[in-house]
Amino acid sequence: GEDVEQSLFLSVREGDSSVINCTYTDSSSTYLYWYKQEPGAGLQLLTYIFSNMDMKQDQRLTVLLNKKDKHLSLRIADTQTGDSAIYFCAEKDGGYQKVTFGTGTKLQVIP
Amino acid sequence: DARVTQTPRHKVTEMGQEVTMRCQPILGHNTVFWYRQTMMQGLELLAYFRNRAPLDDSGMPKDRFSAEMPDATLATLKIQPSEPRDSAVYFCASGLDQGGGNTIYFGEGSWLTVV
Repeated sequence: GEDVEQSLFLSVREGDSSVINCTYTDSSSTYLYWYKQEPGAGLQLLTYIFSNMDMKQDQRLTVLLNKKDKHLSLRIADTQTGDSAIYFCAEKDGGYQKVTFGTGTKLQVIP
Repeated sequence: DARVTQTPRHKVTEMGQEVTMRCQPILGHNTVFWYRQTMMQGLELLAYFRNRAPLDDSGMPKDRFSAEMPDATLATLKIQPSEPRDSAVYFCASGLDQGGGNTIYFGEGSWLTVV
């Protein structure tokens, strides 16, 4: 079945860039997503990328996709304390069209 | 502001009791997902519906869990009988699958504690 993996924890200083990485196994993935979860809340969609793209930029967020290596990354420029949260990578498979999530990366921003 | 609505937000129940969680997907969305989140297992897909038909419930323990969509505006997840290991946050999510993109939007979750 599909598998999505992320590192569990990342710590950065305020103002630095954060890079959160994700790998997936499904070669038929059509869309890949990044979600943000703040404490006590649901998951909020941040951005997504279609599998035939290799980069997408949205304000402070840059998504890079290496489809050959099945590697996705999310770069947050000028990281702020409000960016502290858990970030989930997810992929949508091309068959069943279901969305599978990674384990989440907890981002800690140090003032 | 369209959003996925889940009830109850919080539930504490005794082991052996039936628990029913409800979800109102965003109007017009044709896919509904139930996820369970725990510290140990992360986010697990329990069930997935498209146009009210169950497509995948392989992640759901069949002996005690059931998921249904009585109509397009309501999805339910039932646990009977509940056990302490069912304590988790249960998220409902909905999306519009038009054969291409399927961005899914999450509710705030139902926080279940079984004692």
